[in-house]
Amino acid sequence: DTAVSQTPKYLVTQMGNDKSIKCEQNLGHDTMYWYKQDSKKFLKIMFSYNNKELIINETVPNRFSPKSPDKAHLNLHINSLELGDSAVYFCASSQPGLAASRLYNEQFFGPGTRLTVL
Amino acid sequence: AQKITQTQPGMFVQEKEAVTLDCTYDTSDPSYGLFWYKQPSSGEMIFLIYQGSYDQQNATEGRYSLNFQKARKSANLVISASQLGDSAMYFCAMRGPRDSNYQLIWGAGTKLIIKP
Repeated sequence: DTAVSQTPKYLVTQMGNDKSIKCEQNLGHDTMYWYKQDSKKFLKIMFSYNNKELIINETVPNRFSPKSPDKAHLNLHINSLELGDSAVYFCASSQPGLAASRLYNEQFFGPGTRLTVL
Repeated sequence: AQKITQTQPGMFVQEKEAVTLDCTYDTSDPSYGLFWYKQPSSGEMIFLIYQGSYDQQNATEGRYSLNFQKARKSANLVISASQLGDSAMYFCAMRGPRDSNYQLIWGAGTKLIIKP
């Protein structure tokens, strides 16, 4: 009964390849996110989608393209992979709202996808 | 701009001792929320505790408590009677502004190692 799931968990690939990571949430949340966690463990927001609409697009190379077919899914496609793309990628979801409460702000994370580019 | 600062990159603590992990924040929004998450070596992100800016009391969840000092803009996590399983990365986060759709703003994290 996983709340936020990601596939695959591990991804090893060669430089220059194109790969996708899939994410699904069954919490009924409107908002989903992609984060990149580098080797120093810093969490960087990449994208945020609210009800299939792109809300946040941080300074991410345009080789990264998110796709949200519906509000329960947010996939990440990466073109022309580079060594520096090696990281753990987390998908998360939440139901943000006006109230500063846990209910409207807690983010639920997927298990992460460890991407290694050789 | 809103910001979260965790000044301790790493900490070593003896098992069974209490631990305080520091977190300071900066915001001009009177309504905000603060989170702590734990990331063990297995990699998953685990919610620990939440404090709302208008909450009258400091949040507690089992062995976790939040030392919330609003005037100092600090929200330190206190872990009582530390256990070996508490060894992990700990992240402090704050609810961001409305124009960011209230995304969470994250600190750099503190790596906690509990020594037996």
